[in-house]
Amino acid sequence: QKEVEQNSGPLSVPEGAIASLNCTYSDRVSQSFFWYRQYSGKSPELIMSIYSNGDKEDGRFTAQLNKASQYVSLLIRDSQPSDSATYLCAVMGYGNKLVFGAGTILRVKS
Amino acid sequence: KAGVTQTPRYLIKTRGQQVTLSCSPISGHRSVSWYQQTPGQGLQFLFEYFSETQRNKGNFPGRFSGRQFSNSRSEMNVSTLELGDSALYLCASSLAESTNEKLFFGSGTQLSVL
Repeated sequence: QKEVEQNSGPLSVPEGAIASLNCTYSDRVSQSFFWYRQYSGKSPELIMSIYSNGDKEDGRFTAQLNKASQYVSLLIRDSQPSDSATYLCAVMGYGNKLVFGAGTILRVKS
Repeated sequence: KAGVTQTPRYLIKTRGQQVTLSCSPISGHRSVSWYQQTPGQGLQFLFEYFSETQRNKGNFPGRFSGRQFSNSRSEMNVSTLELGDSALYLCASSLAESTNEKLFFGSGTQLSVL
């Protein structure tokens, strides 16, 4: 079992819709969770962090964490073509080591 | 505030050679981590340095090594290059003051081994 699992996609949504990206992790003691966005040919860019159960909203982005189910999700409201990218879920492990999922490709169609 | 700076941006080497990559963290950040990104394996953790000491290491062979200087700048070295070492090498820095640290990535060094 991989430590962090994501559906590779691609996930295709029409412009203006809500994109829902999901991630599960195996290390039950993990406390810090992150979502990175990576455009093709670019480095990962941090867009959300979440540490407590529940929802955290930042603009059009909402991160959701459920530690009991070992599940993290990212919702993107009013999706734009510029949101088209690979979204990487990352879980902080021991020693400041970030464990990444393989990423979900999101395509927003105008 | 300047971001994480990695040099060079691109490198082409041949099998058997060695290579050194450089990373300057965000000012004030004391932790530097290195990651390898390939299409097949995704982002894989190489190692992390804090105050010139390696704190954590991933599952890579000993050909991969690194160090950190007193100004927090870090270098990564790969010896006896293999074709499979072709990848994007990413450096990330953080304050490392707690376990909830956010990592900020540089633009990466694209290494091609021929």
